[in-house]
Amino acid sequence: NAGVTQTPKFRILKIGQSMTLQCAQDMNHNYMYWYRQDPGMGLKLIYYSVGAGITDKGEVPNGYNVSRSTTEDFPLRLELAAPSQTSVYFCASSYPEGEGAFFGQGTRLTVV
Amino acid sequence: AQTVTQSQPEMSVQEAETVTLSCTYDTSENNYYLFWYKQPPSRQMILVIRQEAYKQQNATENRFSVNFQKAAKSFSLKISDSQLGDTAMYFCAFMKRRGGSEKLVFGKGTKLTVNP
Repeated sequence: NAGVTQTPKFRILKIGQSMTLQCAQDMNHNYMYWYRQDPGMGLKLIYYSVGAGITDKGEVPNGYNVSRSTTEDFPLRLELAAPSQTSVYFCASSYPEGEGAFFGQGTRLTVV
Repeated sequence: AQTVTQSQPEMSVQEAETVTLSCTYDTSENNYYLFWYKQPPSRQMILVIRQEAYKQQNATENRFSVNFQKAAKSFSLKISDSQLGDTAMYFCAFMKRRGGSEKLVFGKGTKLTVNP
């Protein structure tokens, strides 16, 4: 049982480049989330989805885009990378009824 | 909007002793869930314990237990018989119950160090 799988684990981007962080879950969860964690800080919600075809903004959505074409996948797109997007990114998924979210291993992204 | 506050940025405890981490939250909701997550140096987020707001009984999971005070909007985590492997960041989190906005909102975390 793979759970939540994020790729890549590490990435260095140059300013202005774009990339997609991949996230897949095999637990048939309806809810999926993208968070970022800056050093010494908690997790801030970027985007979330309550099911295929439905996405909504979180606390810090600027500079990011998401799509949810299937239940399993929830990719996060960074357009025109900026140094402020240097962070660790976590994808998570959960059932609706508050069982707690399962997290991927995280992606450490550095924008230089 | 819901907010979660962890007022202790860092704490330390001696191995085998007991430590309590504090968490308060602000919400106008009546039905919700509360969680404690552990993040060891490996960076993995691990669910430690969960509490359903409509249940009065405090949740327990082995050495971990909570003190849930709904009226005070307080949700503290007690770790008994602390072990070196408990050294980690601990995050308190809040989620509305189904029918609301099911966003998982986190506090800023408490860094716990267990000393030998």
